[in-house]
Amino acid sequence: QLQLQESGSGLVKPSQTLSLTCAVSGGSISSGGYSWSWIRQPPGKGLEWIGYIYHSGSTYYNPSLKSRVTISVDRSKNQFSLKLSSVTAADTAVYYCARDRGYCSSTSCYRWFDPWGQGTLVTVSS
Amino acid sequence: EIVLTQSPATLSLSPGERATLSCGASQSVSSSYLAWYQQKPGLAPRLLIYDASSRATGIPDRFSGSGSGTDFTLTISRLEPEDFAVYYCQQYGSSPRTFGQGTKLEIK
Repeated sequence: QLQLQESGSGLVKPSQTLSLTCAVSGGSISSGGYSWSWIRQPPGKGLEWIGYIYHSGSTYYNPSLKSRVTISVDRSKNQFSLKLSSVTAADTAVYYCARDRGYCSSTSCYRWFDPWGQGTLVTVSS
Repeated sequence: EIVLTQSPATLSLSPGERATLSCGASQSVSSSYLAWYQQKPGLAPRLLIYDASSRATGIPDRFSGSGSGTDFTLTISRLEPEDFAVYYCQQYGSSPRTFGQGTKLEIK
């Protein structure tokens, strides 16, 4: 059974860079043509999709965060990572990683999230 | 981007009752590419429904989804105690993928 587990710094100072890793177990990050996503949820609020990466390294970022986000993949360690620069208190959230599932046409892919990692809280504070 | 609006924000019902949750889209969702998730406190969201009406693996048949275009519905036929949670819809028909703000289903 595929499992995902987030890890990384739980406290980040304003203006610094948030760094998280998602370890994938029970399956290879390189198989099945899946993409892999990051999603966040501020305390008591709704969900926001951050972006995804394929095992090839190709990415897509939500335009709302694009200028500050980098998602990368390490196939040898079966994991992918998130970096978010110039953080502020508004970036305080539970960050989830998830596998994307769905369909692709010749031009686009259409994907939902399943399964999800358990999430990790990142607080931005001095 | 497509904005999803869920209603009601909070729904108060008793076990055994039928729950109807709505998700409205600001523009048509391509090919009914809409999913529903359940989230319990302190846990990650869990996929219930994809493609508007297909149940995910292991999801009880009391959960059903319907709709197309801009109007979608999640129905729970007979509420069990474990169904009280927050429910989110999510569209994946266009980028960026977006979520609704959630409906909290609480025990009356």
